[in-house]
Amino acid sequence: TQLLEQSPQFLSIQEGENLTVYCNSSSVFSSLQWYRQEPGEGPVLLVTVVTGGEVKKLKRLTFQFGDARKDSSLHITAAQPGDTGLYLCAGTGAGSYQLTFGKGTKLSVIP
Amino acid sequence: DADVTQTPRNRITKTGKRIMLECSQTKGHDRMYWYRQDPGLGLRLIYYSFDVKDINKGEISDGYSVSRQAQAKFSLSLESAIPNQTALYFCATSDLREGYTFGSGTRLTVV
Repeated sequence: TQLLEQSPQFLSIQEGENLTVYCNSSSVFSSLQWYRQEPGEGPVLLVTVVTGGEVKKLKRLTFQFGDARKDSSLHITAAQPGDTGLYLCAGTGAGSYQLTFGKGTKLSVIP
Repeated sequence: DADVTQTPRNRITKTGKRIMLECSQTKGHDRMYWYRQDPGLGLRLIYYSFDVKDINKGEISDGYSVSRQAQAKFSLSLESAIPNQTALYFCATSDLREGYTFGSGTRLTVV
């Protein structure tokens, strides 16, 4: 079973601060996805990374896939209250279509 | 209309009752999934289906069954509900190009 460990589990910061969330595994993933989930709703896909070392930017969010495809990070610049939510990483292993989820990082951005 | 629609949104049922959660999609995706989400445990896969004639058990299928009535419909049944099946249930669809799309979830409480 491939496991994804996310850290930190909880994060509370002031508006305007920067933050980084991590997603780590001992297994290699063929692709890794990041989702944001708001209360009462399902997860919404933010980005998919597939190449080791790949960096993708989505406005103030920067996603990086580790060179060995075992880890990923999400960096938010100048966090806004609208960034509040549960951030989930999820990966697919080689030859598998199943998505394995981390337990998530719950982010609160205080105005 | 939402791309992935789950009904009901909320349900309270008694121990031992049979209950069905329904999911329909307008994405046109062949692949459909049922997940449950518990605090501190993340999202775990119950069953998945790659087409109408293909049904597969996920990580935690015991106590659950599914039916793929059509490409657009995938229902989850609890034959005899028990309190530890109290959770948030999500249906999802996927394809290789668009990734995963989740419904808004069904909050199930078994008393």
